[in-house]
Amino acid sequence: AQRVTQPEKLLSVFKGAPVELKCNYSYSGSPELFWYVQYSRQRLQLLLRHISRESIKGFTADLNKGETSFHLKKPFAQEEDSAMYYCALHGGGYNKLIFGAGTRLAVHP
Amino acid sequence: GAGVSQSPSNKVTEKGKDVELRCDPISGHTALYWYRQRLGQGLEFLIYFQGNSAPDKSGLPSDRFSAERTGESVSTLTIQRTQQEDSAVYLCASSSVYEQFFGPGTRLTVL
Repeated sequence: AQRVTQPEKLLSVFKGAPVELKCNYSYSGSPELFWYVQYSRQRLQLLLRHISRESIKGFTADLNKGETSFHLKKPFAQEEDSAMYYCALHGGGYNKLIFGAGTRLAVHP
Repeated sequence: GAGVSQSPSNKVTEKGKDVELRCDPISGHTALYWYRQRLGQGLEFLIYFQGNSAPDKSGLPSDRFSAERTGESVSTLTIQRTQQEDSAVYLCASSSVYEQFFGPGTRLTVL
């Protein structure tokens, strides 16, 4: 079964500390993985996708097929990074996008 | 260009009443999703439309919930005989290939 697991509901760090939001997935084929973010009072939006291998707002995520993980990392957290982060998986074609339960990141001054 | 829009933005209703929520997707997007987001909680998938295929209704919590979409145009989510536990933000999203674009949501409050 296709599944996305985000084990942490809440991650609380201080400004300047490194951040890693965990995401593990279960999928038999070759999925596309994404991170979406929802800032306070804003719409959910795409943060990054694994295929593009880019860094957005200092965040990166590497797909590890061996560990079936797609953890989101940032070396130095900023207060403006406080938001809800969702990991998502797409199996290609007309499969639906599957979201994890989300992790709330709180960055304290 | 125009993004995904939803109406109404807020809806307050009495327990037992029916409500209808509307979603206008981005033009040309074949896929449309409905989600529910309770206060402080994550996304809860409700239903998925893809073109003219049969919708994936696996996330609908009860038979009080239904949704329609005509072709690749607007969609309506209907909740019959609303209950207090239906209170939440209902989000709509549309996509063409992989990226989902979300609407602002409809905040439903059932008194």
